[in-house]
Amino acid sequence: EVQLLESGGGLVQPGGSLRLSCTASGFTFSSHAMSWVRQSPGQGLQWVSAITGSGYGTHYADSVKGRFTISRDNPKNMVYLDMTSLRAEDTAVYYCAKGRYGSNYYYVTDVWGQGTTVTVSS
Amino acid sequence: DIQMTQSPSSVSASVGDRVTITCRASQGISIWLAWYQQTPGKAPKLLIYSASNLQTGVPSRFSGSGSGTDFTLTISSLQPEDFATYYCQQADSFPPTFGQGTKVEIK
Repeated sequence: EVQLLESGGGLVQPGGSLRLSCTASGFTFSSHAMSWVRQSPGQGLQWVSAITGSGYGTHYADSVKGRFTISRDNPKNMVYLDMTSLRAEDTAVYYCAKGRYGSNYYYVTDVWGQGTTVTVSS
Repeated sequence: DIQMTQSPSSVSASVGDRVTITCRASQGISIWLAWYQQTPGKAPKLLIYSASNLQTGVPSRFSGSGSGTDFTLTISSLQPEDFATYYCQQADSFPPTFGQGTKVEIK
């Protein structure tokens, strides 16, 4: 069974940092691009970042570019999101999601984790 | 960025009803549209990709259609487990963007 499990969320002060982790199982991890998508309280979905299967290609939403860094460790089947200079508007549930089609395509995601909550507040 | 607009924002329906949700893109996206279902407290689930292709395991009462700028998601006979929020998402150009969601509620 394909599974994704996020961890690392929590309460952080504005300007602080946090690292989210996502552990994957049940598929050939290095063959799929991975994304992070967030959902603010009571709001819709916003794509945040993606990384290709090799790890060499990374992509970011304008709202997080320069502050967030996505990375992956293929031997460990893990993807990470390092978040710095956090703002109140970054408060959201962060989901890890698997690209449906292969190592470079991340626009459509077919498996999502249960999410981890990030709260940015003083 | 491509803006995705869904209508209605919410719909009240009964078990067995036919429900149609519309999604409009701010520019043409060919068939590069996906639909997701989200129940409260859960992660989104992929229902349809490439406008009309049913994801493996999704019941056949769900169907999608459209191309260019106008798309629809249809539930042919609403079941209790279908009460949820539905999101469209364009998969044509960077960055991928979602509609604001349509909540299907029990009448």
